[in-house]
Amino acid sequence: SQQGEEDPQALSIQEGENATMNCSYKTSINNLQWYRQNSGRGLVHLILIRSNEREKHSGRLRVTLDTSKKSSSLLITASRAADTASYFCATDDNSGAGSYQLTFGKGTKLSVIP
Amino acid sequence: NAGVTQTPKFQVLKTGQSMTLQCAQDMNHEYMSWYRQDPGMGLRLIHYSVGAGITDQGEVPNGYNVSRSTTEDFPLRLLSAAPSQTSVYFCATRAGLGTDTQYFGPGTRLTVL
Repeated sequence: SQQGEEDPQALSIQEGENATMNCSYKTSINNLQWYRQNSGRGLVHLILIRSNEREKHSGRLRVTLDTSKKSSSLLITASRAADTASYFCATDDNSGAGSYQLTFGKGTKLSVIP
Repeated sequence: NAGVTQTPKFQVLKTGQSMTLQCAQDMNHEYMSWYRQDPGMGLRLIHYSVGAGITDQGEVPNGYNVSRSTTEDFPLRLLSAAPSQTSVYFCATRAGLGTDTQYFGPGTRLTVL
């Protein structure tokens, strides 16, 4: 069953604008990760935030995590047409040693219009 | 260093046929897994392996078999293909406990008629 649920399902913005995507999850986690998928391609890891962290930055990406609300957000600043892709959150749900399943949400489809 | 490779890229099967999707990695990663991705859905875990000789079921294992005889290879077998198995299949690797990033292959698009 899906652990993470992204919101919105689809987002269309103009180049240069910021894009914000949200992810909610249900159980306690070790960490939460964001992945990008370009059309017809595999997923690419973007950024990871651990359960004891509240905010993390990587280039134009900013991720926040609120474990009390079981939610995370991904902000892409100054968007570019090349950012057009689907974005997925994935949770590492602390199932114990030897079990590491990542559970993915359904994704947010971002379109950046030049 | 090719990373994670998958073959074939595309495949069309008839109902009842069997086939094997290949996944290979050259990163010496311990963990490998298979996911399927259906329209409007995230990825769902089919089977995974924490090392050579060790496999376990994920969320949607029915109709699929796996084996892990070497660190490098993790094939996924469809025993008797059904239209419900039409999907895009992704193989992923992870270095091991204490590491977090998964590396994905380019996917195999399978259609079962």
